[in-house]
Amino acid sequence: DVKVTQSSRYLVKRTGEKVFLECVQDMDHENMFWYRQDPGLGLRLIYFSYDVKMKEKGDIPEGYSVSREKKERFSLILESASTNQTSMYLCATTGITYEQYFGPGTRLTVT
Amino acid sequence: TQLLEQSPQFLSIQEGENLTVYCNSSSVFSSLQWYRQEPGEGPVLLVTVVTGGEVKKLKRLTFQFGDARKDSSLHITAAQPGDTGLYLCAGANAGNMLTFGGGTRLMVKP
Repeated sequence: DVKVTQSSRYLVKRTGEKVFLECVQDMDHENMFWYRQDPGLGLRLIYFSYDVKMKEKGDIPEGYSVSREKKERFSLILESASTNQTSMYLCATTGITYEQYFGPGTRLTVT
Repeated sequence: TQLLEQSPQFLSIQEGENLTVYCNSSSVFSSLQWYRQEPGEGPVLLVTVVTGGEVKKLKRLTFQFGDARKDSSLHITAAQPGDTGLYLCAGANAGNMLTFGGGTRLMVKP
């Protein structure tokens, strides 16, 4: 079974803080994704990566950056957190099929 | 940007009732997936439909892909409290990219 883990289930940060969200997968998958999930808006793609050190912007990359130094690890960085970044953040990975395997999510609150 | 609209957004029904969730787009997708998400967890894939007109059954759940591959539906027969959750449709195109619908939150009351 594919396992995708995220570093924190719940996180509370202050406005202006730098925030790191980490995602680790154990299936040697090439593709990794970061989404944010807000009620009624579904999942919106922030960034994705199809290989180590490669990254591509998704639909809503503003205010975020990512890092992929190792194949199994994909980090999402909020350089200066703002209240409108309060959300559920989901990491996902895919192999050779379109099926996406998701982590449990990190619920981030920025106060 | 491709858009997927799901309806209804919320659905609260009694155990034993039937229901249908719709997923519509003006865009064509190469395949369409349905996910179910429980509170505090990430979405889990239920099914992938690939061919226009395809119907797939998963116990009491029936999934259909429209002939033109622009829409899909999920029908649940005799809903049970264990079906409660958020149902998400997602359309796939090139490059392993998915476009997600807004989700349907289903509550099945005993």
